[in-house]
Amino acid sequence: DAKTTQPTSMDCAEGRAANLPCNHSTISGNEYVYWYRQIHSQGPQYIIHGLKNNETNEMASLIITEDRKSSTLILPHATLRDTAVYYCIVTMTGGYQKVTFGIGTKLQVIP
Amino acid sequence: EAGVVQSPRYKIIEKKQPVAFWCNPISGHNTLYWYRQNLGQGPELLIRYENEEAVDDSQLPKDRFSAERLKGVDSTLKIQPAELGDSAVYLCASSSAPLLGQPGSGANVLTFGAGSRLTVL
Repeated sequence: DAKTTQPTSMDCAEGRAANLPCNHSTISGNEYVYWYRQIHSQGPQYIIHGLKNNETNEMASLIITEDRKSSTLILPHATLRDTAVYYCIVTMTGGYQKVTFGIGTKLQVIP
Repeated sequence: EAGVVQSPRYKIIEKKQPVAFWCNPISGHNTLYWYRQNLGQGPELLIRYENEEAVDDSQLPKDRFSAERLKGVDSTLKIQPAELGDSAVYLCASSSAPLLGQPGSGANVLTFGAGSRLTVL
């Protein structure tokens, strides 16, 4: 699986958009980008995933660059409950592929 | 739906004692994972089951760790004897059969339990 690079930490004001970047320059053509988040004392929670098109669901939007070497997870209106560690993972979909977590980005939403 | 259920939520033991963690995955999920998460780190895969078969246990320290998934449903992870360095959160996750998915299909999506926090004194 391709390696990902994320900032260690970020702050965001409550009510503003939180934009979390992820670099995955070695991504291959059949690998997807997945995002999970982990709120304190809970297990990781799936947020969204995509291949090359931008994706949106009730939790967030995922913007993938045209060359697919990086992506951004967008939380449009961050709340205090969005304070968590966010993990960007690259893996194939279809058949089993190992889901490997890095250290992630600690997002602190500030009142 | 209850989600992935793990117990105990917290466990404190002295070193050299045994400990066991239990996991009940989401109904119908044939794939079950055990991860270990050390403080400040991301989860690390210990073992993965497809139904009752352990298909990836390369990261499981087999000298002291063991796992089983009887009848392809519930699973137990055991440590015997525990060492100080085993203090961590043990996470169980499950997923449905991987598909040649489209975005939004949910393919390869893991659902995690709340974890079992182990402290070895």
